Amino acid sequence: AQKITQTQPGMFVQEKEAVTLDCTYDTSDQSYGLFWYKQPSSGEMIFLIYQGSYDEQNATEGRYSLNFQKARKSANLVISASQLVDSAMYFCALLSGGYQKVTFGIGTKLQVIP
Amino acid sequence: EAQVTQNPRYLITVTGKKLTVTCSQNMNHEYMSWYRQDPGLGLRQIYYSMNVEVTDKGDVPEGYKVSRKEKRNFPLILESPSPNQTSLYFCASRTRREGNEQFFGPGTRLTVL
Repeated sequence: AQKITQTQPGMFVQEKEAVTLDCTYDTSDQSYGLFWYKQPSSGEMIFLIYQGSYDEQNATEGRYSLNFQKARKSANLVISASQLVDSAMYFCALLSGGYQKVTFGIGTKLQVIP
Repeated sequence: EAQVTQNPRYLITVTGKKLTVTCSQNMNHEYMSWYRQDPGLGLRQIYYSMNVEVTDKGDVPEGYKVSRKEKRNFPLILESPSPNQTSLYFCASRTRREGNEQFFGPGTRLTVL
């Protein structure tokens, strides 16, 4: 069975500081992918970053980077230089089952403090 | 503009009255999925489709049907809605050609009385 675990229900970070959101996963598939999504209070789901299991380099997109540690089955999201607009729910998700099934974690609520 | 559209955005209905939530994408994506989001549970995949006429069950398919007759459309059908299907529903599409980035629709908030 596929599983995503996000153990931080809520986090606070000071503006301009970096923050790491934790995500661990479990799958028996050899080929899989990991996503991070942001959901602001307005409700839309915003794609942030994707890492494939065979990608050797950690994925980066602007201020977002994915710290992928395959042996530990972790895929933590790092947000550098936090901004007030980063306050939102963040979801980690696993793409598996021949790149068809998607399993989400329960999310981490991030609040950026001025 | 590349997008996934869903209709309706909000719906209040009664138990047992069949309804359809439409989903359409204009990006020629082969993969489409439906999710429901409930507080404390994250998003759970209901059904997914890897191409026209190919659909499969996700983690919570009971009480739902889908069809994929055209590549762009992936409607979600509730034949006999029940109160436990009150939820926020998202449709999404993606393609492996572009790194698997998954585009979400704006969501449909469904209340079943």
